[in-house]
Amino acid sequence: SQTIHQWPATLVQPVGSPLSLECTVEGTSNPNLYWYRQAAGRGLQLLFYSVGIGQISSEVPQNLSASRPQDRQFILSSKKLLLSDSGFYLCAWSEGGRGGRPAYNEQFFGPGTRLTVL
Amino acid sequence: GQQVMQIPQYQHVQEGEDFTTYCNSSTTLSNIQWYKQRPGGHPVFLIQLVKSGEVKKQKRLTFQFGEAKKNSSLHITATQTTDVGTYFCAGPPNYGGSQGNLIFGKGTKLSVKP
Repeated sequence: SQTIHQWPATLVQPVGSPLSLECTVEGTSNPNLYWYRQAAGRGLQLLFYSVGIGQISSEVPQNLSASRPQDRQFILSSKKLLLSDSGFYLCAWSEGGRGGRPAYNEQFFGPGTRLTVL
Repeated sequence: GQQVMQIPQYQHVQEGEDFTTYCNSSTTLSNIQWYKQRPGGHPVFLIQLVKSGEVKKQKRLTFQFGEAKKNSSLHITATQTTDVGTYFCAGPPNYGGSQGNLIFGKGTKLSVKP
């Protein structure tokens, strides 16, 4: 069966410090991967998604970046955190498309990382 | 741009009462998905609707997809305290180049008073 891991679970960082959040998926190959941010009591904001190694699409301009160094590894980074970066960061995966066509399959979310920037 | 809107934003019910949340898209959707997020947890997939006018049931939950495939609803009969959480609808974007990502509504937060 497939599992998705995220770490750390909680993080408190000072303004201006760097960030690295990691997400890994097991039990599947060539998944679509996603990073979301959820402000307290708010909806899900898609930050980045990836359909393959080294392929990153950014949905929202910000001081965050994402990388996919391996098929089932997705990393969210920042060089300098802002106060507004605080939130609940969720990684998710879904089955990838076939034959070059996108597939809008159900998404499976990781447990999330609660980031507080002070 | 394309929007997926949900109403109401919040709903407080007495245990045993029914609950409905509505989802409206500014464009036609190829499919719509529903997720539930418990307090402090992460979203969990509930169901996907694909066909125009489709109705699916999961125990006390009834999901509908509108005839025009631009709106959907989730109805819970006789709510229980275990139904507490935020319910999100989500649909694929209609702009070119999208590859499996979804546009989520802002969710309806349900609280149930025992």
